[in-house]
Amino acid sequence: AQSVTQLDSQVPVFEEAPVELRCNYSSSVSVYLFWYVQYPNQGLQLLLKYLSGSTLVESINGFEAEFNKSQTSFHLRKPSVHISDTAEYFCAVSERGNKLTFGTGTQLKVEL
Amino acid sequence: DTGVSQDPRHKITKRGQNVTFRCDPISEHNRLYWYRQTLGQGPEFLTYFQNEAQLEKSRLLSDRFSAERPKGSFSTLEIQRTEQGDSAMYLCASSLGPGTGRGNIQYFGAGTRLSVL
Repeated sequence: AQSVTQLDSQVPVFEEAPVELRCNYSSSVSVYLFWYVQYPNQGLQLLLKYLSGSTLVESINGFEAEFNKSQTSFHLRKPSVHISDTAEYFCAVSERGNKLTFGTGTQLKVEL
Repeated sequence: DTGVSQDPRHKITKRGQNVTFRCDPISEHNRLYWYRQTLGQGPEFLTYFQNEAQLEKSRLLSDRFSAERPKGSFSTLEIQRTEQGDSAMYLCASSLGPGTGRGNIQYFGAGTRLSVL
């Protein structure tokens, strides 16, 4: 069975500082990996995805994540955060096109 | 593309009452998923449909829960004899099926927040 671990429940960071949100997964088969972002009282928005090909994937708002098969990780990074990045971030895994299994989420709080 | 739509956004009910939620997926998507999210947790899978066929149900989905997608378009999730433990955000997502070259990218609605008093 697939599972996702997000070790950091909260990450406080100052604006313009770099940030890394950690995600590790477990699966016995090949997987697709996703990061979703959730703002208060809203649904989840897809931030970026790894399906195949290049292990480094990027979003349009400066986030990137790298798929590391040997370490079974898919950490999310941003070199310089903005106050508007404050939100909850969920890592998720899908075993080739089926249900998503989510981690427990990381609350990113960007402070001035 | 109008996105995934869920109705209602909020539902307050008394314990023991039945409730029904509706989800309208993105029009060309043939897969539709239901998830439940409780406070401080990530969403948990409940069930999913491919067209009108319900292909998988989680063990979280007790006998009091039933989901339908009668014409392969919108879906309903009904909870009978609600309990306080049913209080959660119920999220719907839709996607194209596998083999489309676009993976299983699921797009989520804003959710229905259920409060059982």
